[in-house]
Amino acid sequence: DAGVIQSPRHEVTEMGQEVTLRCKPISGHNSLFWYRQTMMRGLELLIYFNNNVPIDDSGMPEDRFSAKMPNASFSTLKIQPSEPRDSAVYFCASSGGYLGQPQHFGDGTRLSIL
Amino acid sequence: AQSVTQLGSHVSVSEGALVLLRCNYSSSVPPYLFWYVQYPNQGLQLLLKYTSAATLVKGINGFEAEFKKSETSFHLTKPSAHMSDAAEYFCAVSEKTGANNLFFGTGTRLTVIP
Repeated sequence: DAGVIQSPRHEVTEMGQEVTLRCKPISGHNSLFWYRQTMMRGLELLIYFNNNVPIDDSGMPEDRFSAKMPNASFSTLKIQPSEPRDSAVYFCASSGGYLGQPQHFGDGTRLSIL
Repeated sequence: AQSVTQLGSHVSVSEGALVLLRCNYSSSVPPYLFWYVQYPNQGLQLLLKYTSAATLVKGINGFEAEFKKSETSFHLTKPSAHMSDAAEYFCAVSEKTGANNLFFGTGTRLTVIP
């Protein structure tokens, strides 16, 4: 079975540019999570969706970040405008949505903002 | 809110030695508990999970963890370390009511010395 698919795997861009990260969750999963991982701050939950509806976006750093889930098989995380401090690895994860269900992670997008 | 403490951000063991990675949780109600492993340039992979069945949980790659309610602990062990076990390990908890997101510890980097 296909796991969580993220694209691109690597992104290098200049500050001020718009960045869009993409995620395809595991088919049948109805919860989707976006995380950011850095050496300084570790793994941070940015936002998560249940049944395509954002449930908790308290981890989104600021208004430059936005996330959407237009359908059950696709989600985007957008940064506009990007800044060097946004450089990190961004992970998407999905789960069955029930309490106690483990999350399954994609391989991440390594983002570098110059 | 839940919190997870992983004692020791770095642990080094010799190849063939016992691996012990510590995890304590904060809730008075035993939560669901998970261990994940992250290899370089990869996403997090589920090692094992505790969902209130047997207190000793066996996972992949020879790892196991024991849930101890009296100690609010869920330590991860492996009898004999292998070079391929070198990675970062994360403990995570999920509450039994409310939201289905995970709360992650700060991770423990395991080094295996030949």
